[in-house]
Amino acid sequence: EIVLTQSPDFQSVTPKEKVTITCRASQSIGSSLHWYQQKPDQSPKLLIKYASQSISGVPSRFSGSGSGTDFTLTINSLEAEDAAVYFCLQSSTLPRTFGQGTKVEIK
Amino acid sequence: QVQLQESGPGLVKPSQTLSLTCTVSGGSISSASYYWSWIRHHPGKGLEWIGHIYYSGSTYYNPSLKSRVTISVDTSKNQFSLKLNSVTAADAAVYYCAREEREAAPGTFAYWGQGTLVTVSS
Repeated sequence: EIVLTQSPDFQSVTPKEKVTITCRASQSIGSSLHWYQQKPDQSPKLLIKYASQSISGVPSRFSGSGSGTDFTLTINSLEAEDAAVYFCLQSSTLPRTFGQGTKVEIK
Repeated sequence: QVQLQESGPGLVKPSQTLSLTCTVSGGSISSASYYWSWIRHHPGKGLEWIGHIYYSGSTYYNPSLKSRVTISVDTSKNQFSLKLNSVTAADAAVYYCAREEREAAPGTFAYWGQGTLVTVSS
């Protein structure tokens, strides 16, 4: 199975700062990488699909990039409501696999 | 608006079978456009994809759980179900059902249930 490794595991950030989270795949997955946000006691929410495609209703400060094995989620100008765990998911092969998650805390 | 709702016992004894059902509303489970998935989240750990089913009944299970998992679908009730047998403490988690796009955007889970916490204890 494809292993996804995120970094960092935890990030404490002040509002309006820029946040960068990376996700590395154990083998090439093309653009079959998606980003999700999970807030406490909520279900995951799709933020970015296919590495860089935006999702309707998701704020434009969220963006994604990358292909092959290295991917990045960027949150421009972090807002307090962005405190959450972010994780990546690959759909190149079955089984679907997730990154371990990155917790973003607001200072 | 599509909604998914998990139901089932929140407490399962070790070695017993965990059984959960996901009821889909606001859309048909018989659509050719989707897979219906089970995903779990261990406390303090990452998410684990358990498997999925197509409305026809075809399934794919995570090899790590394949020997213990059965996912089934009841199109007449617009439900799909999870059975995990021989549970241990390692199976304690929040279990989610979710809908995955099958053709347009595989890997995108736009709709999730609220999740149900399953504890394994005697």
